[in-house]
Amino acid sequence: QTVVTQEPSLTVSPGGTVTLTCASSTGAVTSGYYPNWFQQKPGQAPRALIYSTSNKHSWTPARFSGSLLGGKAALTLSGVQPEDEAEYYCLLYYGGARVFGGGTKLTVL
Amino acid sequence: EVQLVESGGGLVQPGRSLRLSCAASGFTFDDYAMHWVRQAPGKGLEWVSGISWNSGTIGYADSVKGRFTISRDNAKNSLYLQMNSLRAEDTALYYCAAGDYSTRVQHWGQGTLVTVSS
Repeated sequence: QTVVTQEPSLTVSPGGTVTLTCASSTGAVTSGYYPNWFQQKPGQAPRALIYSTSNKHSWTPARFSGSLLGGKAALTLSGVQPEDEAEYYCLLYYGGARVFGGGTKLTVL
Repeated sequence: EVQLVESGGGLVQPGRSLRLSCAASGFTFDDYAMHWVRQAPGKGLEWVSGISWNSGTIGYADSVKGRFTISRDNAKNSLYLQMNSLRAEDTALYYCAAGDYSTRVQHWGQGTLVTVSS
C-alpha cells in the first residue's frame, strides 16, 4: 500500500517563509508523479493551489510556489499571511490511481 | 463560473447501496476528467476514483475497488458514483472534482455527506 507522507504540523510567523514537503513510500518523487497541492480551511472544500509540481492556477497567490526538493515535492510559502493558516494536502499520481498525503496543519503565529 | 454540485448522500445501513451524482456547469464538461474524493469526519482527504473525459481510463483506490463504480454522462454534464456493500468506514463527505486525469485536480464541489450506520 502506497503511503504519501507530509509533516503533521508546522508553525510560521507572519511575513516568514515555510516549506511543506510530500514524500512517497515508493521512492523519490519526480515530475511524473504530477504533484498537486491543495489548501483547506475549516468547513470549506479544498482549493487547488499548484499542479504538475510547480504550475499555479489563475487564482493562486504569487507567494505560493511548488518544486521538487531532495526527492520530495515541496510547497513554499513566502511572506506568509494570517489567512494562510490552513491544512495543506499534496496529491501524487501513480499511473492510474492517486494518493493524498495526510496533510500539514500550518499555524501562523 | 464553474459549479460542481453533489447530491445523493444520506444515511444508509451497512451492506446497502447508494448512488451519488455530481452536476457540472460553467465549463465544457467533456473536456475534463472527473474525480471523487472523500473526507471522513475530522480526517484527511482520500482520493476514491477518477474517470477520463471519454470514460476510457478509470481508476479506484484499493479501499473501494470492487465495491464502487464511477461513471459519467457527458450529454447530461453529470458524474456518478455507485457505492455498493457500504461499510461504516465509508462514512465521509464526498466531493466531486474536475481536472485532468493525471496532471491536475482543479475545481471542487462542496460535497455530499454519506453516513453508513445501523
